[in-house]
Amino acid sequence: GQSLEQPSEVTAVEGAIVQINCTYQTSGFYGLSWYQQHDGGAPTFLSYNALDGLEETGRFSSFLSRSDSYGYLLLQELQMKDSASYFCARTGGNTGFQKLVFGTGTRLLVSP
Amino acid sequence: AAGVIQSPRHLIKEKRETATLKCYPIPRHDTVYWYQQGPGQDPQFLISFYEKMQSDKGSIPDRFSAQQFSDYHSELNMSSLELGDSALYFCASSAGGDYGYTFGSGTRLTVV
Repeated sequence: GQSLEQPSEVTAVEGAIVQINCTYQTSGFYGLSWYQQHDGGAPTFLSYNALDGLEETGRFSSFLSRSDSYGYLLLQELQMKDSASYFCARTGGNTGFQKLVFGTGTRLLVSP
Repeated sequence: AAGVIQSPRHLIKEKRETATLKCYPIPRHDTVYWYQQGPGQDPQFLISFYEKMQSDKGSIPDRFSAQQFSDYHSELNMSSLELGDSALYFCASSAGGDYGYTFGSGTRLTVV
């Protein structure tokens, strides 16, 4: 299977740090991406990991451990506008036409 | 910068009718993907095209078909519509070796 599991909801306050976890099945796994989606909006690419370790992009960082079949998205200095759904997604190959398989999604609620 | 363009943004159809959704990928992107997202669900992969040839197929009903034309735009044709087809339909495009896929704003299909 290709399922990816995430917590359904996470809550935090402005300025805090939050971590969204993602576990996946290893069959055919190549890389892990993260997407943000506001209600009614399109998924927006945040980051990608193919190798173990941390990738940092501004306030957002993503981590991958292939040996543990696990990754996470770290959001720092949370802002109200970060309230959205966050999806991890796997790709099965290193070519541009590999489909994304999305995780179950995590709804992040940021309060004042 | 040019984005992925989808039309129409909203569509209301009756049961058993047909619908055609259009997608115009980012220029020079060689792959187009179609996704279906029900309320509160993660995006589900339907079908993809690489250089105008079908490259992968997911959980797309037999009532649906898609193609990519010589100008690289793609159309998703849906026949014998059912109430359960009501969803957001996203098109995404990518360039070879590019890990961040760009999604269009989606078409919200409502079947009544």
